[in-house]
Amino acid sequence: NAGVTQTPKFRVLKTGQSMTLLCAQDMNHEYMYWYRQDPGMGLRLIHYSVGEGTTAKGEVPDGYNVSRLKKQNFLLGLESAAPSQTSVYFCASTRSDIRSTEAFFGQGTRLTVV
Amino acid sequence: DAKTTQPTSMDCAEGRAANLPCNHSTISGNEYVYWYRQIHSQGPQYIIHGLKNNETNEMASLIITEDRKSSTLILPHATLRDTAVYYCIVRAHTTSGTYKYIFGTGTRLKVLA
Repeated sequence: NAGVTQTPKFRVLKTGQSMTLLCAQDMNHEYMYWYRQDPGMGLRLIHYSVGEGTTAKGEVPDGYNVSRLKKQNFLLGLESAAPSQTSVYFCASTRSDIRSTEAFFGQGTRLTVV
Repeated sequence: DAKTTQPTSMDCAEGRAANLPCNHSTISGNEYVYWYRQIHSQGPQYIIHGLKNNETNEMASLIITEDRKSSTLILPHATLRDTAVYYCIVRAHTTSGTYKYIFGTGTRLKVLA
């Protein structure tokens, strides 16, 4: 199993450009998350999804949109990139077990906006 | 959302036990405590989790106080490869009955040779 795969791994954007980050998981997990991590900081939750067709805002949702059209994929979109969105983006997925479940993370997408 | 507080950094001698504390004084009764670590800039890696009982697995032990307001992650015999940032996370329940992981800033553990 590949686990959680993020595409692309690196990207440089110009201010105002748009792009979509793809997260794919092959574990049939219901929940998926997008985080950003700035230098020297912890991960901050951008958006998350508890199932196909549903999304919800996290701690820092402004400037981002997401979609979960298929259970295995969670897309993060930047409509008009800004330098403040320069960061490393991590995707994660978990089962929906209410009792306990670990999150599996992708290897990250390093995005630079110039 | 329940927040966690951790020391910014710690050092530990190789071969000794590393004890990493975490405060989560606003934790609710049904919220789990999770520990993850992040090596360099890789994706976080799951270590262990617990609700109210102490837990142990092949990687670490988790000690949760009786009032659940704090916990300690124990790496029994730290190695150089354990140098990483360790995150204590409370899995927060949302009003819709789902849950989400909220990360703090973590503890940067440096294992010294």
